[in-house]
Amino acid sequence: EVQLVESGGGLVQPGGSLRLSCAASGFTFSSYWMHWVRQAPGKGLLWVSRINTNGISTIYADSVKGRFTISRDNARNTLYLQMNSLRADDTAVYYCARGKGAFDMWGQGTMVTVSS
Amino acid sequence: EIVLTQSPGTLSLSPGERATLSCRASQSVSSSYLAWYQQKPGQAPRLLIYGASSRASGIPDRFRGSGSGTDFTLTISRLEPEDFAVYFCQQYGSSPRTFGQGTKLEIK
Repeated sequence: EVQLVESGGGLVQPGGSLRLSCAASGFTFSSYWMHWVRQAPGKGLLWVSRINTNGISTIYADSVKGRFTISRDNARNTLYLQMNSLRADDTAVYYCARGKGAFDMWGQGTMVTVSS
Repeated sequence: EIVLTQSPGTLSLSPGERATLSCRASQSVSSSYLAWYQQKPGQAPRLLIYGASSRASGIPDRFRGSGSGTDFTLTISRLEPEDFAVYFCQQYGSSPRTFGQGTKLEIK
């Protein structure tokens, strides 16, 4: 089955860290640019970060630059998001998504809650 | 950054009616790199339209995207019960990729 499955979300204190994973299956993961997109409760979608096929090129939204790091392991068909110095406004469902253009596949999302 | 403004915020219609959703960009969207997504409660977004007017795989032909430059439209010709959801537009022609704030399509 062609799918993306996120994991690693949870409750973390402000200033803490968390690493999200996105496991891909059913397609050639190494051929696709990958993204993280987040959605705060009851809010819209915010693009967070993108990584190219070989992992060399990455880009971030200003709101997470310097705190979040996107990476990938093509041998393990897995995308990662290392999140450091977390703040309350990082609370959201985090989705991984596939696509060099539009995002034609999304995972089901993993919830990250930043609270003391 | 390109700001996308969707209107209306909420659209109340009945099944069988026609829905027209608007997405306006603060500057021209390169090569019509504009997509539309549908999101139902508790679910991930689903790609409907890319390149402003091309339907994604498996999307019924009642969904039609149009527009160019700064003005784009998603039209749903005859609403089915399963079409009531939130719709987002997204531009992917320039970085950062940005989304509109969404239009909620609700049953009247």
